[in-house]
Amino acid sequence: GAGVSQSPSNKVTEKGKDVELRCDPISGHTALYWYRQRLGQGLEFLIYFQGNSAPDKSGLPSDRFSAERTGESVSTLTIQRTQQEDSAVYLCASSPPTLTSGRLYNEQFFGPGTRLTVL
Amino acid sequence: KNEVEQSPQNLTAQEGEFITINCSYSVGISALHWLQQHPGGGIVSLFMLSSGKKKHGRLIATINIQEKHSSLHITASHPRDSAVYICAVRVGYGDKLIFGTGTRLQVFP
Repeated sequence: GAGVSQSPSNKVTEKGKDVELRCDPISGHTALYWYRQRLGQGLEFLIYFQGNSAPDKSGLPSDRFSAERTGESVSTLTIQRTQQEDSAVYLCASSPPTLTSGRLYNEQFFGPGTRLTVL
Repeated sequence: KNEVEQSPQNLTAQEGEFITINCSYSVGISALHWLQQHPGGGIVSLFMLSSGKKKHGRLIATINIQEKHSSLHITASHPRDSAVYICAVRVGYGDKLIFGTGTRLQVFP
């Protein structure tokens, strides 16, 4: 079946512009995560959506970052007034509902990422 | 100090060698994940474990909760195993993952 997809795959923007990154999770996956990976560094958690619960935004680095998710489908990560330090690969992951697996938590399935370059 | 430390950072091996990558963490966890990131960035989940040992093909993952340590082993390594291997821990019973910085493995024929 189809995996997690992200668009665009690459985005080059100028400092100060706003960007929107899109994530399409695997159908039926209730949990959706956004991560950031700066060059040469590990992944950093940004935000987590689980069903209709309030999202966990504790990883967002500043108020220039926001994310939305429509129900249990598409999510968009928006970065306003981009800065050069925002340059990174932004990864999305989704995981199935724990009720169907009987587990407390599930493995995450990652998308290919969006490489953002802020000039 | 990072909450999740991996060693070594870089590893080269000849095809057929037995590989071990280590992960130590300093927080209480409910699960530990091993991920594989290929050149080009795609990430694949290899294992999720909370105790003991899991095996999948040539890959073996072990975890010692008391010692806060996990190892990923690759038997009979192959050039296609060349990738970055990432350890990530689920803190408590939350849903966030904290990631190590990865181990870059290169296997030469």
